[in-house]
Amino acid sequence: DAGITQSPRHKVTETGTPVTLRCHQTENHRYMYWYRQDPGHGLRLIHYSYGVKDTDKGEVSDGYSVSRSKTEDFLLTLESATSSQTSVYFCATSGQPSYEQYFGPGTRLTVT
Amino acid sequence: AQKVTQAQTEISVVEKEDVTLDCVYETRDTTYYLFWYKQPPSGELVFLIRRNSFDEQNEISGRYSWNFQKSTSSFNFTITASQVVDSAVYFCALSGTGANNLFFGTGTRLTVIP
Repeated sequence: DAGITQSPRHKVTETGTPVTLRCHQTENHRYMYWYRQDPGHGLRLIHYSYGVKDTDKGEVSDGYSVSRSKTEDFLLTLESATSSQTSVYFCATSGQPSYEQYFGPGTRLTVT
Repeated sequence: AQKVTQAQTEISVVEKEDVTLDCVYETRDTTYYLFWYKQPPSGELVFLIRRNSFDEQNEISGRYSWNFQKSTSSFNFTITASQVVDSAVYFCALSGTGANNLFFGTGTRLTVIP
């Protein structure tokens, strides 16, 4: 257990509003990730971070931005939420690339 | 390109039966890593195993065992004497060397019937 928390755990928002999801870890892991989970797709990487202020895009990054100002926090922002962004969002951390990733409990986001 | 295929969408077994979950992967990397995760009904993702491409030895952990075969690009997962608590969605995943991404399969939902 990597001591990963996500907030909020559930959120309902309207189309066009900005949304920020927070991931907080206590393990001092360098690498942090945001995934989305959708039926029939498994988990897909949105963005990842390999250090403070160092981030890069993943497979499904359109419509999302991230920021990491501290080792322990990784924020995911939907600038203008759309219904297609209704999903379950998971944060993960890893001590090294290609090592196992430990996941947070997830955030269920509904965009109406 | 990296790809993971879990062809079994759903499997149901009766308690105490053995069950094998299939995972087939595609990669051009010579060094890569394979993983299995469990997602119980509560929704969290639980890490089960990581295996690198140079280690083809099968692994056993209690009722769980994993069969890695590079010749068929498969990394199958067997649960022996299944229990109701094994009911979950199981994901196979793949990562390349130094990669910052896990490529997940679409998962297999296992239901163990008491």
